[in-house]
Amino acid sequence: AQRVTQPEKLLSVFKGAPVELKCNYSYSGSPELFWYVQYSRQRLQLLLRHISRESIKGFTADLNKGETSFHLKKPFAQEEDSAMYYCALLSGAGGTSYGKLTFGQGTILTVHP
Amino acid sequence: GAGVSQTPSNKVTEKGKYVELRCDPISGHTALYWYRQSLGQGPEFLIYFQGTGAADDSGLPNDRFFAVRPEGSVSTLKIQRTERGDSAVYLCASSLRDNSPLHFGNGTRLTVT
Repeated sequence: AQRVTQPEKLLSVFKGAPVELKCNYSYSGSPELFWYVQYSRQRLQLLLRHISRESIKGFTADLNKGETSFHLKKPFAQEEDSAMYYCALLSGAGGTSYGKLTFGQGTILTVHP
Repeated sequence: GAGVSQTPSNKVTEKGKYVELRCDPISGHTALYWYRQSLGQGPEFLIYFQGTGAADDSGLPNDRFFAVRPEGSVSTLKIQRTERGDSAVYLCASSLRDNSPLHFGNGTRLTVT
């Protein structure tokens, strides 16, 4: 069965410190992974996806198939990064809709001034 | 021109009652999804529409849950004989095509007393 695990419910760092939000997955096929973010009083939105190999708002995430991980990293956290972050795995085989996702439980990131 | 719209934003109902939750996707988006988010959990997939038809309803928990999208735009999620365990935030999302990013609504918070 597909599963996404985010081991930390809460993560606190100070502004300017590096931050890493952990995500592990279990999936028998070739995984496609995403990070979604929800800022206070805003709707859930896509932050980045591994196939794009992009950096959004200074965040990057590398898929490590050996460790079945997709950790989200940022070298210097900012106060505006405070939000709820969800790791998500595309369900089903390649070619399946991008919308059917298995989400982790989420990590609340707080960046202190 | 706004994003995905969900109404009502809050709904309180008594156990055993019937409820309808509405989702207005972004104009032109052919794919529409319903997710349910219980307290402290990530969103869980319920059902996916491509146009008017339900392409995947594997996430609906039981036959008390039903969703329609008769004209390929607005969708209604219907819950019969509500139970306290149905209390959650129900999220709707749409995307332009199958492989496009999801755009989420603000959700409907359903409370069954």
